[in-house]
Amino acid sequence: EAQVTQNPRYLITVTGKKLTVTCSQNMNHEYMSWYRQDPGLGLRQIYYSMNVEVTDKGDVPEGYKVSRKEKRNFPLILESPSPNQTSLYFCASSLGDAGRVAFFGQGTRLTVV
Amino acid sequence: TQLLKQSPQFLSIQEGENLTVYCNSSSVFSSLQWYRQEPGEGPVLLVTVVTGGEVKKLKRLTFQFGDARKDSSLHITAAQPGDTGLYLCGGSNYKLTFGKGTLLTVNP
Repeated sequence: EAQVTQNPRYLITVTGKKLTVTCSQNMNHEYMSWYRQDPGLGLRQIYYSMNVEVTDKGDVPEGYKVSRKEKRNFPLILESPSPNQTSLYFCASSLGDAGRVAFFGQGTRLTVV
Repeated sequence: TQLLKQSPQFLSIQEGENLTVYCNSSSVFSSLQWYRQEPGEGPVLLVTVVTGGEVKKLKRLTFQFGDARKDSSLHITAAQPGDTGLYLCGGSNYKLTFGKGTLLTVNP
């Protein structure tokens, strides 16, 4: 089954404690991206990757890092989380075209206290 | 700056009614996508429209891309409770930008 898998689904952490949200896709897609979704603000892109070792900033990259060492994985790293990073996070992937996201993960609800 | 504006923001209707939601922009997009999202889940792609004036149908859902490729509409015929969800449009150029969505509730 074609899918994008994120882990964990839910995470509560404390300010400043580094965390990683993993994302994996099994469709051999080149393009992967991370979004956060907040009430009243909608979905906003954090980072995207066009292929292995190629990443770039989206609209709200501050406080986040990503890496793309393998085609299937695109982890999101919060080096020093802060409460304003409390949000619902989605990983997404698509084949080739950067603008056409075909598959979203099931989401990670992060709370930073 | 909100590149994609969706309206209405909220819509609550009775089962069996028809409805149209809109996605408007001052920018031209190479393609536009519609998604449906249920609470606590990721958005699920419904359709991609590419050509100005294009109309696509998915059962009771009809999607239209404006001639100038700046706007789109989604029409649902005889809405059912299972249609309840957040409908998102995403406009694509070199990247995908989303509207804030229309939250649709279909009451039995």
